[in-house]
Amino acid sequence: QKEVEQDPGPLSVPEGAIVSLNCTYSNSAFQYFMWYRQYSRKGPELLMYTYSSGNKEDGRFTAQVDKSSKYISLFIRDSQPSDSATYLCAPASGGSYIPTFGRGTSLIVHP
Amino acid sequence: GAVVSQHPSWVICKSGTSVKIECRSLDFQATTMFWYRQFPKQSLMLMATSNEGSKATYEQGVEKDKFLINHASLTLSTLTVTSAHPEDSSFYICSATHFRGSLETQYFGPGTRLLVL
Repeated sequence: QKEVEQDPGPLSVPEGAIVSLNCTYSNSAFQYFMWYRQYSRKGPELLMYTYSSGNKEDGRFTAQVDKSSKYISLFIRDSQPSDSATYLCAPASGGSYIPTFGRGTSLIVHP
Repeated sequence: GAVVSQHPSWVICKSGTSVKIECRSLDFQATTMFWYRQFPKQSLMLMATSNEGSKATYEQGVEKDKFLINHASLTLSTLTVTSAHPEDSSFYICSATHFRGSLETQYFGPGTRLLVL
């Protein structure tokens, strides 16, 4: 079992839809949970991060972590075509902060 | 703030030649930089951790003599792919750590696409 699992997709949704992106992990030491967005042929950019379990909202994006089930989610409200990208979940332990990346979920938001 | 650049953005070379990729933190100093490799539709794989003024720490399975890393200053790290072969063709991405709020996070460069013929 890989440390971080993501469905690669692609996930195709119409503009304005609510998008749910999910990720599971196996390492109990992970305490920081980051989401990166990567456009085609570009480096990843940090979207947001959360510490431990709970929710965090940033504009149209909400990150949710359930450490008991080792399940991470990213919700995007009112999705836009510009949200079309690959979303990488990347948890990290408190000691190193070096994230372990999932393979990413490709999201396509069509007008 | 926290901008990381890479040069070149893409390179094509013949098998057997060496290729150098530069990674720069433009508006901050980075004690630690990281080098990743990403194959199509795959996750980022950490190759090595580069610390200014000391030898790089390589991940298991990464040949340190093939992927030479030099972190000469707090704003520059270079990755040299020596005697490149077609299987080295990949997307190489560097990152540098910088604080975002209370978390020391990684900021990524735009990547360098290497094609070895």
